[in-house]
Amino acid sequence: DAKTTQPTSMDCAEGRAANLPCNHSTISGNEYVYWYRQIHSQGPQYIIHGLKNNETNEMASLIITEDRKSSTLILPHATLRDTAVYYCIVRVSGGGADGLTFGKGTHLIIQP
Amino acid sequence: DAGITQSPRHKVTETGTPVTLRCHQTENHRYMYWYRQDPGHGLRLIHYSYGVKDTDKGEVSDGYSVSRSKTEDFLLTLESATSSQTSVYFCAISESRQSYGYTFGSGTRLTVV
Repeated sequence: DAKTTQPTSMDCAEGRAANLPCNHSTISGNEYVYWYRQIHSQGPQYIIHGLKNNETNEMASLIITEDRKSSTLILPHATLRDTAVYYCIVRVSGGGADGLTFGKGTHLIIQP
Repeated sequence: DAGITQSPRHKVTETGTPVTLRCHQTENHRYMYWYRQDPGHGLRLIHYSYGVKDTDKGEVSDGYSVSRSKTEDFLLTLESATSSQTSVYFCAISESRQSYGYTFGSGTRLTVV
């Protein structure tokens, strides 16, 4: 799986859009970008994934650059409950024999 | 999360005693995983299963064994618990060959004293 780089921490004001970047410059053509988050003391939660097109669901939007070397997770109207560690993961498919590899992620703090 | 439960949620045990953690799913997913999470290390894969009686080791499997006799249950056993195995343990499930995500349980907090 390709390696990802994320900022250690970020702040965002409540009600504003939170934009979380991720660099994955060694991504292969068949690798997806996945985003998970982990709220304190809970298990990680799947947010969204994409291959090369931008994606949107009820939780977030995922913007992938044309060269696929970086992506941005957007939480459009952040709330205090969005405070969590956000993980960007690159791998061939969502499920598989060897599990997900989690890095350190970005600790997003939503400020009131 | 709905469809996956871990038991117990909390456990305190003494060094040298055997401990078994249970993960139960109602989603009929093929793949099941055990992770541990420690400060400074993030989530690390212990063992995984790709079907009944089919299991394999992950990154940090020493001191742990697993069993899967039914699709819905994946057991993690610490044969002789040590203080270094004090951690939060998460179970996860996934469907293979589909490009959506894993579902994680709520975790088991294990303390070995």
